[in-house]
Amino acid sequence: DTAVSQTPKYLVTQMGNDKSIKCEQNLGHDTMYWYKQDSKKFLKIMFSYNNKELIINETVPNRFSPKSPDKAHLNLHINSLELGDSAVYFCASSQQFGGAEETQYFGPGTRLLVL
Amino acid sequence: EDQVTQSPEALRLQEGESSSLNCSYTVSGLRGLFWYRQDPGKGPEFLFTLYSAGEEKEKERLKATLTKKESFLHITAPKPEDSATYLCAVRDSGTYKYIFGTGTRLKVLA
Repeated sequence: DTAVSQTPKYLVTQMGNDKSIKCEQNLGHDTMYWYKQDSKKFLKIMFSYNNKELIINETVPNRFSPKSPDKAHLNLHINSLELGDSAVYFCASSQQFGGAEETQYFGPGTRLLVL
Repeated sequence: EDQVTQSPEALRLQEGESSSLNCSYTVSGLRGLFWYRQDPGKGPEFLFTLYSAGEEKEKERLKATLTKKESFLHITAPKPEDSATYLCAVRDSGTYKYIFGTGTRLKVLA
């Protein structure tokens, strides 16, 4: 069973379009994250949710809007896609935010290419 | 400002040639330092967590150590399957933010 899954795995789209990426974890974790990994492989946190509540919101354009319908799901919606949004987006989860066990478990990534 | 710097950026080793990767960090307070391995086209995979200076963790050919300013990932007698990008991350005890370094790309040649 996949612990953290993301769909789609690949996403190719035109500039200006709106797209969504979905993430699900079956680990029973309380906290979920979205990261962006650029072409230089730098992994930067974008958002974090704990029990469906937003707790970390980095300096990310407001075209990016996360939504957590329940503890096991964290989706990322991107409006008006730009060329610079091309990257790999990783979802991750951890047992609890600020707790003793903070290991993060990552999904396989969604490769977004904006043309 | 919190910062994590990894060196070298890339490393090529012959099979069996031991070496160390460095992760230097600057945080207001360290809640934990994490090492991950990332294979091409995959998400990072957890290796170790270190919480306090002097702590060491081992797993197969890997050993992670921690001081107040840096961590080392020692690779003993590496094999080609150890080839990957190794990422270091720190958690700031004040902000709880998770900050990743840019990674070390390791290639082990047979």
